[in-house]
Amino acid sequence: NAGVTQTPKFQVLKTGQSMTLQCAQDMNHNSMYWYRQDPGMGLRLIYYSASEGTTDKGEVPNGYNVSRLNKREFSLRLESAAPSQTSVYFCASSERGVRNQPQHFGDGTRLSIL
Amino acid sequence: DAKTTQPTSMDCAEGRAANLPCNHSTISGNEYVYWYRQIHSQGPQYIIHGLKNNETNEMASLIITEDRKSSTLILPHATLRDTAVYYCIVSVMDSSYKLIFGSGTRLLVRP
Repeated sequence: NAGVTQTPKFQVLKTGQSMTLQCAQDMNHNSMYWYRQDPGMGLRLIYYSASEGTTDKGEVPNGYNVSRLNKREFSLRLESAAPSQTSVYFCASSERGVRNQPQHFGDGTRLSIL
Repeated sequence: DAKTTQPTSMDCAEGRAANLPCNHSTISGNEYVYWYRQIHSQGPQYIIHGLKNNETNEMASLIITEDRKSSTLILPHATLRDTAVYYCIVSVMDSSYKLIFGSGTRLLVRP
């Protein structure tokens, strides 16, 4: 079972380049999330999508855009990458409005911006 | 969402119980307590959650105090593979189910 799949796993960008991180889940979940994790810190929510067709800002949305392409896919775009966006990015998914359902995470995309 | 306070690091011997505390003194009545862990650089892994009753599953037990201001995650027989950062999170189980991660507790299981 694949669960949550993120691509690519690693990426190096130059300042000012653009990049789209892809995320897909095969659990038929309604809600999807993008987090970033900086060294030695916990995860911070960038954007989330409670259901197909909706997106909302999280704690740290500046410099990012998202697209909920369909129920399975939720992409994160950096339009003009900055060194401060060097981080590990995690995608997650969960059921919506269903109690006792945890978030399932992908293995992350390690992004370095020079 | 209520904030949580956890020790920065802990250690325990392999085969012994690991008891990880968490304070959440400002928790409100409709907020759940969740525990996740992150092994090395992998994505976080769900462990357990509860509202006010103690909970147990195949991975761990969760003990929540009667006033709900603190909780303890118990790994009954810690193994080396349980070495990880453990996050205690309180969150409302609403339609978006947002989680706010803190810095967590780094648990080292010693051979």
